[in-house]
Amino acid sequence: QSVLTQPPSVSGAPGQRVTISCTGSSSNIGAGYDVHWYQQLPGTAPKLLIYGNSNRPSGVPDRFSGSKSGTSASLAITGLQAEDEADYYCQSYDSSLSGSEVFGTGTKVTVL
Amino acid sequence: QVQLQESGPGLVKPSGTLSLTCAVSGGSISSSNWWSWVRQPPGKGLEWIGEIYHSGSTNYNPSLKSRVTISVDKSKNQFSLKLSSVTAADTAVYYCARGIVWGADPPERYFDYWGQGTLVTVSS
Repeated sequence: QSVLTQPPSVSGAPGQRVTISCTGSSSNIGAGYDVHWYQQLPGTAPKLLIYGNSNRPSGVPDRFSGSKSGTSASLAITGLQAEDEADYYCQSYDSSLSGSEVFGTGTKVTVL
Repeated sequence: QVQLQESGPGLVKPSGTLSLTCAVSGGSISSSNWWSWVRQPPGKGLEWIGEIYHSGSTNYNPSLKSRVTISVDKSKNQFSLKLSSVTAADTAVYYCARGIVWGADPPERYFDYWGQGTLVTVSS
């Protein structure tokens, strides 16, 4: 089971702003490890959306933004569009046991 | 543009060994990146399996470590996954991905290029 917890689903109307939380603990986000975010459209591989908490790779719209504070991180999508309907995952490093990259539980974003 | 392509059997018998290969094109596997395997059971979330560097150094998910072996073939620009003693719980889409070094110690990564994924079903 994942050590990073996300809400199962969030929804919003086109043009609205939605946020997705990623809650960790003192062995991952709270230990200072950075958070990365991925978008997974139906039937496709994950796509890197945000790296290093708040950095966008080339080609990712600035409607997507990330932040981190304490033991949590957040992904915000402003000006929600129909094409944003997808699953979103956070990812970080966890130092418990022998250490490992870990993913969040995933959040389904629905555009109403 | 780096591309990754997974290949291997789509059906493995219980207690058998799952074997997959990831071919890398558009870039060298000997670059300063790590190469990972990630899996996703049907309808579920992502799970990191492990990674390898071109030198042969590896890191594995502690929960799978006893059953996983990742190897690299620099001459073919590819890396491979072996998962032993499989059960139905290992049924998943398996992805290979390029890991960018974000932190060296401990080995923080993020994944910028992914293969399309291949479904492996464990069933008799």
